[in-house]
Amino acid sequence: KQEVTQIPAALSVPEGENLVLNCSFTDSAIYNLQWFRQDPGKGLTSLLLIQSSQREQTSGRLNASLDKSSGRSTLYIAASQPGDSATYLCAVIDFGGSARQLTFGSGTQLTVLP
Amino acid sequence: GAVVSQHPSWVICKSGTSVKIECRSLDFQATTMFWYRQFPKQSLMLMATSNEGSKATYEQGVEKDKFLINHASLTLSTLTVTSAHPEDSSFYICRTEGGFFGQGTRLTVV
Repeated sequence: KQEVTQIPAALSVPEGENLVLNCSFTDSAIYNLQWFRQDPGKGLTSLLLIQSSQREQTSGRLNASLDKSSGRSTLYIAASQPGDSATYLCAVIDFGGSARQLTFGSGTQLTVLP
Repeated sequence: GAVVSQHPSWVICKSGTSVKIECRSLDFQATTMFWYRQFPKQSLMLMATSNEGSKATYEQGVEKDKFLINHASLTLSTLTVTSAHPEDSSFYICRTEGGFFGQGTRLTVV
């Protein structure tokens, strides 16, 4: 059974700092990996999706990398802003079973201090 | 704009009552809907998968008689929490097969 772990569980940084969020998964046979942002009491916003054949994706100040062999992904946020404060979730879709089911990590709660 | 409309966004109900949560796909048909639950400081856990016109598939440990799922049309899937108890208080969210999420429903049972 796929397990997804995110470290750290919470992170607080001053505005302007670059930061890295970590995600690890136990089964490397994934279809893709996705990073989401969740604001309190709200739904999820997809940030980046990395196909299993890709190594990274970039969108603005965000860069996500994927290393399937080691079962790791990182989300890099450059020049952080208070508006980046949210919970960041990573999720994988496995080849096994339903290819459209997501297994989520428990998230990293990010606070960017002004 | 949102492509999946989920209602209500929050609800407070008395213990023992039932609560219905709706997820409606806007401008497209969703033959499959995934329902997730998220307890505080925990991740989203898949509860069940609903398919239009057929019975829902429930994940292990999820009571199908307590969490009734109906997917009677290609644009509407509903989750009804029957005889709700305080331990059912959680954040419920739906997702289409195409990856679109509803806004989520915060359920508080008092």
